[in-house]
Amino acid sequence: KQEVTQIPAALSVPEGENLVLNCSFTDSAIYNLQWFRQDPGKGLTSLLLIQSSQREQTSGRLNASLDKSSGRSTLYIAASQPGDSATYLCAVTSNTGFQKLVFGTGTRLLVSP
Amino acid sequence: DTEVTQTPKHLVMGMTNKKSLKCEQHMGHRAMYWYKQKAKKPPELMFVYSYEKLSINESVPSRFSPECPNSSLLNLHLHALQPEDSALYLCASSQDPQGNTEAFFGQGTRLTVV
Repeated sequence: KQEVTQIPAALSVPEGENLVLNCSFTDSAIYNLQWFRQDPGKGLTSLLLIQSSQREQTSGRLNASLDKSSGRSTLYIAASQPGDSATYLCAVTSNTGFQKLVFGTGTRLLVSP
Repeated sequence: DTEVTQTPKHLVMGMTNKKSLKCEQHMGHRAMYWYKQKAKKPPELMFVYSYEKLSINESVPSRFSPECPNSSLLNLHLHALQPEDSALYLCASSQDPQGNTEAFFGQGTRLTVV
């Protein structure tokens, strides 16, 4: 059974810092890995999708990497801003025929001005 | 347009009520999903519809009844719920149910069962 873990569970940084969020998964047989952002009480916003054959994806100040063989992904946020404060979730899709996202436990990020 | 629209945003219902949650997408996606998220927990899959047919039911109690009237709409019918069913219900869609495609989520319906 796929298990996804995120470290740290919570992170508090001052504005302007670069930061790294970590995601690990137990079964490397995945289709892809997706990073999401969730504001309190809201839905999920897709940030980046990395296919299993890719090593990284970039979007603006965000860069996500994937090391499938070791079961790890990182989300790098450059020059953090207070508006980045949210919970960040990674999710993997196993190659079992239907897209079933298994979510990590989340990292709650607070960026203070 | 990458929008998945869910209605209502908030719902309070008694344990004897019948209500429905609605989800709509106009991206031409052929897979639609219902997830349940309890407070401070990650979302958990409930149902998957592929080409308007139920593909996955994650052993969800029968008091939750999904329906996919057409390729753009997904409903979740609720009946005789329990207080522990209170949660954020999220709808999602993706282009290809069996492929390597991005999932898009709605803003959710916050359900409270009293």
